[in-house]
Order: sequence, then C-alpha cells, then structure tokens
Amino acid sequence: GESVGLHLPTLSVQEGDNSIINCAYSNSASDYFIWYKQESGKGPQFIIDIRSNMDKRQGQRVTVLLNKTVKHLSLQIAATQPGDSAVYFCAERITGGFKTIFGAGTRLFVKA
Amino acid sequence: SQTIHQWPATLVQPVGSPLSLECTVEGTSNPNLYWYRQAAGRGLQLLFYSVGIGQISSEVPQNLSASRPQDRQFILSSKKLLLSDSGFYLCAWSVGNTDTQYFGPGTRLTVL
Repeated sequence: GESVGLHLPTLSVQEGDNSIINCAYSNSASDYFIWYKQESGKGPQFIIDIRSNMDKRQGQRVTVLLNKTVKHLSLQIAATQPGDSAVYFCAERITGGFKTIFGAGTRLFVKA
Repeated sequence: SQTIHQWPATLVQPVGSPLSLECTVEGTSNPNLYWYRQAAGRGLQLLFYSVGIGQISSEVPQNLSASRPQDRQFILSSKKLLLSDSGFYLCAWSVGNTDTQYFGPGTRLTVL
C-alpha cells in the first residue's frame, strides 16, 4: 500500500561510483513500474519505466531491474554524479487501475 | 509538448481560512488528473484523482475537496484550513493506458 508517514532511507555514494536503489512493491497484480527523481522543492520527474513482461530496461546511465518472483524493483545509476542527488521513488500500477502507488522514497547523497 | 502549471508556488495561510490551488495542463486532451500531498521528507499521499470533467474520486477523507470544471483544469479547495493541511501539494497528469504520471512544480502550503 501507500507508504505515507515513513521517513526516507538514505543512500550515500562517492561521485563516480555506481548507485543501486531498491524497492519492494506490494501487489503481484501490478503490471507497470516507474522510477521518479525528486529534487528539493520540485515535483517528481520521470526517469524510466518497465512493464511486467520485461525484467530489465536500460536508459542513459540508468537501468531498471524487475524481479517479479520476489516483487522487487531496483534502479541502477552508473557513474553517479552530484546532480543525481535527490529522492528517488518507485511506483507501481495495478492492472486496469488508474492509480499509481508510490514507494516511500530513498534519498541519494553523492559525495564529491 | 505537454506542460503542467500549478499556482501559487508558495502560500502561507492562517488556520480557518479557505484554500484554492489550481492546476492546468496544456498540450493534451482528456488527461487523468491527480492531487497529491507530500509532508516534509516523506512520500506521496494521493488525495484525489479525476478521469474526466466533473468526475472526482477521493482517496482520503479529510478537510479538502477537489473539482474539475474543465477538461484540463483541476482545483483543490478547503473551506477552513487546519494546521495539518500544511505540506507540498503536487498535481499530476497521465493519459491512456500507461500510468506514467507527469508532475507539476508543486505548491508549498504553510498553515499558521
């Protein structure tokens, strides 16, 4: 379900390293998954999405992996940069629904 | 291309005063529209969503209401604000059978 009320976990990485942000989703009927990036004081921005018939999708410097067996989603960021510092949310859509359920979010800090 | 606008960007209101936040979308027709609230350092809480003019679904019973007077206009209102209404309010839109939601810049509401 929705994760309102939880404080955000934090991931700290060195600039240039790869980052892996994990997310456990809640519903086995979900068919579409999205990762969003939210910088301070701004609305979330779409990063990458994946459908349930795929297990991997790559974008520019980002890769999303989907493991439906354990209901796990991850976002990999290659060569992390200071501009990647933000809160990252995973989201799932249940088949046939209009709503998107957002995860709690993970705060990524990139150390120079 | 599609754009989404929210105003005002920031708002400070006394307890018991009314509220009206506006969201408009350009460049698309018959979008699904959403209102979210985000407390500081926390995840997204879905408040309302709308799949068409005059069609509003409420997710959380509370002090707020929403209206959709036009296809691309979504309004969040309150007759009397509470301290607990403070937060970052985000409007989002989506179309079709994908649920990638695109977010507006948000309104920071402080109720004193």
